[in-house]
Amino acid sequence: DSGVTQTPKHLITATGQRVTLRCSPRSGDLSVYWYQQSLDQGLQFLIQYYNGEERAKGNILERFSAQQFPDLHSELNLSSLELGDSALYFCASSPLGGPEAFFGQGTRLTVV
Amino acid sequence: DAKTTQPPSMDCAEGRAANLPCNHSTISGNEYVYWYRQIHSQGPQYIIHGLKNNETNEMASLIITEDRKSSTLILPHATLRDTAVYYCIVVGMIKAAGNKLTFGGGTRVLVKP
Repeated sequence: DSGVTQTPKHLITATGQRVTLRCSPRSGDLSVYWYQQSLDQGLQFLIQYYNGEERAKGNILERFSAQQFPDLHSELNLSSLELGDSALYFCASSPLGGPEAFFGQGTRLTVV
Repeated sequence: DAKTTQPPSMDCAEGRAANLPCNHSTISGNEYVYWYRQIHSQGPQYIIHGLKNNETNEMASLIITEDRKSSTLILPHATLRDTAVYYCIVVGMIKAAGNKLTFGGGTRVLVKP
């Protein structure tokens, strides 16, 4: 158990819909990262937040957005969903100055 | 961050050492080598990292060549639970706020009884 909690574990939704994925980082970790893993693209970095502020951005689609709240939990919002958005979405957190990231167990999103 | 090259797959016998190579010939002086693994669609798990010197922890050893252009992750006594995809990642200077990770294809390791 990494200490990073993601909910829900599974999500099935229809094209065009909007969903919210939630992540609770390890206690004390200020940084939260979101990654997407699809069969054809592998693990891709989406976005990083540090203490509520956006810190780094990867190949995140405009239809996707994220935020980190004062209690440090984070949410990834995916809208206008397409079949190609079906993937595993991982959240990770890291401690201040720590080199390693701790990943949650992921949310498996299926768009039908 | 420098790119890495890893063999797509390898087999290993249970109880034997598994040696996983990684090439990072364009690595620069302040970049670190990290290793993560992912067991069957679970979240990736940090294994070890290093800059120049060889490193060892309870999970594995990391051997970095003197020119730093390649490295080897060693799992000393592989078990069936070590079956996973292993990722070698080069990361720039460690930031206080943390570093994003750029995953490649990794090496799919199958530990056989």
